[in-house]
Amino acid sequence: QVQLVQSGAEVKKPGASVKVSCKASGYIFSHYRFSWVRQAPGQGLEWMGWISVYNGNTDYAQKLQGRVTMTTDTSTTTAYMELRSLKSDDTAVYYCARQRGSGVFDYWGQGTLLTVSS
Amino acid sequence: DIQMTQSPSSLSASVGDRVTITCQASQDITNSLNWYQQKPGKAPKLLIYDASNLETGVPSRFSGSGSGTDFTFTISSLQPEDIATYHCQQYDNLPHTFGQGTKLEIK
Repeated sequence: QVQLVQSGAEVKKPGASVKVSCKASGYIFSHYRFSWVRQAPGQGLEWMGWISVYNGNTDYAQKLQGRVTMTTDTSTTTAYMELRSLKSDDTAVYYCARQRGSGVFDYWGQGTLLTVSS
Repeated sequence: DIQMTQSPSSLSASVGDRVTITCQASQDITNSLNWYQQKPGKAPKLLIYDASNLETGVPSRFSGSGSGTDFTFTISSLQPEDIATYHCQQYDNLPHTFGQGTKLEIK
């Protein structure tokens, strides 16, 4: 069965960086893209970007350009999302999602809570 | 960016009721629309893809319809376990965008 297991909660200071991992199992890792989606407290869902496991191509949301990097490691079937120059409004739950086709998110990780506070 | 306007933002209904949520896109997205269910403290779960296709394993009381700019999500007979927030999402254009969510409660 498909599973996406994310790394644990993080607390960071403004200006710091964070790297969230998403370990995939139960399917052929290279056959799908990953998207990352975040949800600020009490808010809706915000798409951050996607990465193709097959060729490493990425596309990031414009508001995060320059601060976010998505990568994958095929040897460990793990996807990563790094966010730099953290601000308080980056406080959110971050989800990885397996992306089927152009934009169907069919499996999700359990979420990683990031708190940015001085 | 394509704006997704979801309504209502909250809804209270009784067990057995038919429940309908709408989602309107700011431009034509053909049928590139998905619906997700999110229970408190949990990740979203895919229910409907490509506007009207039921994801494998999802109960048939859930359905979706629409194309272009106007979409509808329906629960034919509300069950207690359907209490959740429901989100629409378009993927016709990047960035993928979501509606603001509809919080469904039991009356």
